[in-house]
Amino acid sequence: GQQLNQSPQSMFIQEGEDVSMNCTSSSIFNTWLWYKQDPGEGPVLLIALYKAGELTSNGRLTAQFGITRKDSFLNISASIPSDVGIYFCAGQFTNAGKSTFGDGTTLTVKP
Amino acid sequence: DVKVTQSSRYLVKRTGEKVFLECVQDMDHENMFWYRQDPGLGLRLIYFSYDVKMKEKGDIPEGYSVSREKKERFSLILESASTNQTSMYLCASRIRDEQFFGPGTRLTVL
Repeated sequence: GQQLNQSPQSMFIQEGEDVSMNCTSSSIFNTWLWYKQDPGEGPVLLIALYKAGELTSNGRLTAQFGITRKDSFLNISASIPSDVGIYFCAGQFTNAGKSTFGDGTTLTVKP
Repeated sequence: DVKVTQSSRYLVKRTGEKVFLECVQDMDHENMFWYRQDPGLGLRLIYFSYDVKMKEKGDIPEGYSVSREKKERFSLILESASTNQTSMYLCASRIRDEQFFGPGTRLTVL
């Protein structure tokens, strides 16, 4: 299947710092999604992107759909301890098909 | 409120046993999915289903089968559990682009 490369694999940051992570693919997608998994829980959708070049915010989170349709970025501003978790990107071609998930970025925030 | 439940949070089985993992959603979603999650490997799709009695292989179906007799229930079956199937198993249902995940079942095969 398609491969998504997500980086970095893990991040250790101080509370208050900004965070950036990205996802690249060898294939194009027409939808990019970002999920967060809290410890002991299933992933939850944070942001969905539908158009190349689109920039979408959800509180302190901002995500972008790359112009080439082969990448996406997620930024978290002014991190707080509850941002801890695993962040997954996912790409898909249609709203009826399956999603391909990245390997995840594990975020640790030190108070 | 959207809810996906999985039958067990933790399960310990022996090699060779037949294992059933159950998933139920209360949102009347047509699409349901089974993933396994391993450190550094992300979420890998095992099987998915578009409707009752319909199933499609995902990226890693070997050693697994599924059953969808009712819309709300999607079962993952390990016909003969092996130690390399020790993992976290996540079920999800989907509406439009969003997948709703259950809390996961951590399966250990001894």
